[in-house]
Parts: sequence; C-alpha cells; structure tokens
Amino acid sequence: GDKVKQSPSALSLQEGTNSALRCNFSIAATTVQWFLQNPRGSLMNLFYLVPGTKENGRLKSAFDSKESYSTLHIRDAQLEDSGTYFCAAEASGGNYKPTFGKGTSLVVHP
Amino acid sequence: EAAVTQSPRNKVTVTGGNVTLSCRQTNSHNYMYWYRQDTGHGLRLIHYSYGAGNLQIGDVPDGYKATRTTQEDFFLLLELASPSQTSLYFCASSEGSDYTFGSGTRLLVI
Repeated sequence: GDKVKQSPSALSLQEGTNSALRCNFSIAATTVQWFLQNPRGSLMNLFYLVPGTKENGRLKSAFDSKESYSTLHIRDAQLEDSGTYFCAAEASGGNYKPTFGKGTSLVVHP
Repeated sequence: EAAVTQSPRNKVTVTGGNVTLSCRQTNSHNYMYWYRQDTGHGLRLIHYSYGAGNLQIGDVPDGYKATRTTQEDFFLLLELASPSQTSLYFCASSEGSDYTFGSGTRLLVI
C-alpha cells in the first residue's frame, strides 16, 4: 500500500471558506514537507515540519509523528490557493529520500 | 534567476532513442533528485545524489541512469527510451529544510 496517503484526493472550495488536508503515514516519519503545485505546474515548498506546528499567513500545518499524520489547514481560501498540494515524509534512516503522497487537487471558485 | 534550472523544457524522441535531461542548481545544496510525475501517481523518485560522483537508487529506477558530475549538475539518462517513459520530469535540490524544484521537462516518447 501507499506509504503516504493523502486525503481528500480532490476538493472544491468557495472563496473565503476554510478546509483541511490530511496525510497519513505508514512509515515512521521524522519530517514532513508540504508543497503546492500551481496550475502552471511550478512546485513550491510551503512547510518543512518536525513534530509540531507551523503557521504562515492563512496556512497552518501540524505534524504528529506518534499518530503518524500531518494536516494542512487553509483559512479564508483565495483563488490563488488553487492547485495540487503534496505532502512528503522522510523516515528515520531515510537518507534524505522523501516519499510523496499522490496529492490533493484543490479548486477555489468565486 | 532560477536556483534550479532544467533543460530542455520539452523533448520529443522516438522509441529506442537516447535522451539526456539536464539539471543545474545554484543553491550549493548537497542533495539533488530526479522525479517523474504522472497522473494518479504523484511524484515518484527515480534517482538521487548527495554529492558529486554519488548516486543513489530511487523508487522507480528501471530504464534510467543518472550522473552527478559536479555539485551543481545532475543528469538523467534514458538510453533506450520507451513510450512508458513519457512523463513530466522534475529535478530538485535540497539541504535541510530548503527544498527547491526546477520547472520541469516534458518528455514525449513516440
């Protein structure tokens, strides 16, 4: 099975609403990263997490290594938040080889 | 100026052809990666490297070779291209929490 499972696989939000994306891990993840691939295809790093939480503007992410999951919360969704969100986990002894989930495709509509 | 530059942006080759994808980073990162992105699979790691002359096997290495000639340059080689290797290829570099992707190379094998 997938070592990193993302849910939901697709999501449609109205502008101004809130939502949460989730990653569940079947590996002993020690760090988690969240990326956004915009509709033009460019990938950008959103968060790098050890167990704990981080916040950046309208985005907030949490990583619980004991319960093997991470979340990405989007507050007050904007049109420019549309794209595909990927999480990637690195396991202990993983030699800096992150394993990616299959992504959550988000569309924010007016 | 982009910190991770891939070339070419697009490539068409015939089955059995020889293709080299190039990646150069100016981040002074030790780690570099080659991924392929296909619908329904997310990003899958082909090969990676932690320094000049080093090569590590990723999760989907069959049909691919790679070479890290310098700290800056990482190449992906397809010596007998097959239609199953039609994909969008991303290069990335990383050091600690800093993870930077290139803009991608779209390869079509006909």
